[in-house]
Amino acid sequence: SQQGEEDPQALSIQEGENATMNCSYKTSINNLQWYRQNSGRGLVHLILIRSNEREKHSGRLRVTLDTSKKSSSLLITASRAADTASYFCATDGGAAGNKLTFGGGTRVLVKP
Amino acid sequence: GAGVSQTPSNKVTEKGKYVELRCDPISGHTALYWYRQSLGQGPEFLIYFQGTGAADDSGLPNDRFFAVRPEGSVSTLKIQRTERGDSAVYLCASRAGGRFAEAFFGQGTRLTVV
Repeated sequence: SQQGEEDPQALSIQEGENATMNCSYKTSINNLQWYRQNSGRGLVHLILIRSNEREKHSGRLRVTLDTSKKSSSLLITASRAADTASYFCATDGGAAGNKLTFGGGTRVLVKP
Repeated sequence: GAGVSQTPSNKVTEKGKYVELRCDPISGHTALYWYRQSLGQGPEFLIYFQGTGAADDSGLPNDRFFAVRPEGSVSTLKIQRTERGDSAVYLCASRAGGRFAEAFFGQGTRLTVV
């Protein structure tokens, strides 16, 4: 079963625009992580936000976490064609233990 | 090592055969995970090792799937009597200890059962 569910499932934007995707989860967590995947192979870690944090930034990425709503968002600002990929949230810890549980992902297409 | 290494990168096998997929984690990482990913889906958790022991194997779909990590480093995922539905990319990840460590993924093994 999947703990996190991303929304939307797919997103198409023009280069330079911002891309926002959301993740909802069901049980308590220690932290939430976002990963990126190109071409259906290895995932690359983007950012981790702890359960006691509300917002975190890394370069053009901004992540928010609302534990009362059990939701998180990932914002990519000033998108580039190279940002085209699938993005996954993964919940960690809490009721699900120390396994990382992934959602279904958001497929982002950035058109040049 | 430089990163998580998975071998083979591709494996084609006949229905009913036995396969082994290997994962070499980053040196010193105590936690090791196996996931299965079908096209267009997110990674599905299979099993998680902390050291040599399986801390959580709740994601293994049935008793045809088994994984070991005998020395707390390399892990092997074993699938008996493969079925066409087992076709997927099998991903391995490792993490250093601690609650807030990121996971590093290998490039996966694409298993095709024909």
